[in-house]
Amino acid sequence: AQSVTQLGSHVSVSEGALVLLRCNYSSSVPPYLFWYVQYPNQGLQLLLKYTSAATLVKGINGFEAEFKKSETSFHLTKPSAHMSDAAEYFCAVRGGAAGNKLTFGGGTRVLVKP
Amino acid sequence: DAGVIQSPRHEVTEMGQEVTLRCKPISGHDYLFWYRQTMMRGLELLIYFNNNVPIDDSGMPEDRFSAKMPNASFSTLKIQPSEPRDSAVYFCASSLRGGPNTEAFFGQGTRLTVV
Repeated sequence: AQSVTQLGSHVSVSEGALVLLRCNYSSSVPPYLFWYVQYPNQGLQLLLKYTSAATLVKGINGFEAEFKKSETSFHLTKPSAHMSDAAEYFCAVRGGAAGNKLTFGGGTRVLVKP
Repeated sequence: DAGVIQSPRHEVTEMGQEVTLRCKPISGHDYLFWYRQTMMRGLELLIYFNNNVPIDDSGMPEDRFSAKMPNASFSTLKIQPSEPRDSAVYFCASSLRGGPNTEAFFGQGTRLTVV
């Protein structure tokens, strides 16, 4: 079955430091990939998505992600962390063999230290 | 548009009782997803609909769970009878037609506690 794996359930970064969240997908056909953010007691909000138009995708709040087919990866980065980035981040996959099913990774909780 | 609307936001019920969660998708969206979120299992897809028809219910945990979508603007997820292990946050999401490259929009969730 098509899936995504997020390495690291928790990440701690200092304010102003690079944020790097890892996501790898398993699919013989490049799928559509998404990153969502969830703030406490809220629903999920789309950060960005990859739909094959460009391998480097820019999203909201200064986040971006790069699709690397050779590595089956779609890692999320932000050059400089802000306290407001503290949240849980989810990578998701849709398409390919799974059709329109939208499947999420396990999530990575980001803690930002002052 | 007001976004995906879920009700109630919080539900506390006793074991054995029937629970009904409700969802109103964004107008014009023809995909609707139900997810369950727990600390142990993360975000699990329970079922999804396309044009009011259930497409994949393989994530529904057992026969105690059922979901319906009687029309394009309303869906329910029912648990009967409820058990403490059903305690979780349940999310509804919807997306536009156009295929798998379209993102899903999420509601605020229903926090269910079964005591």
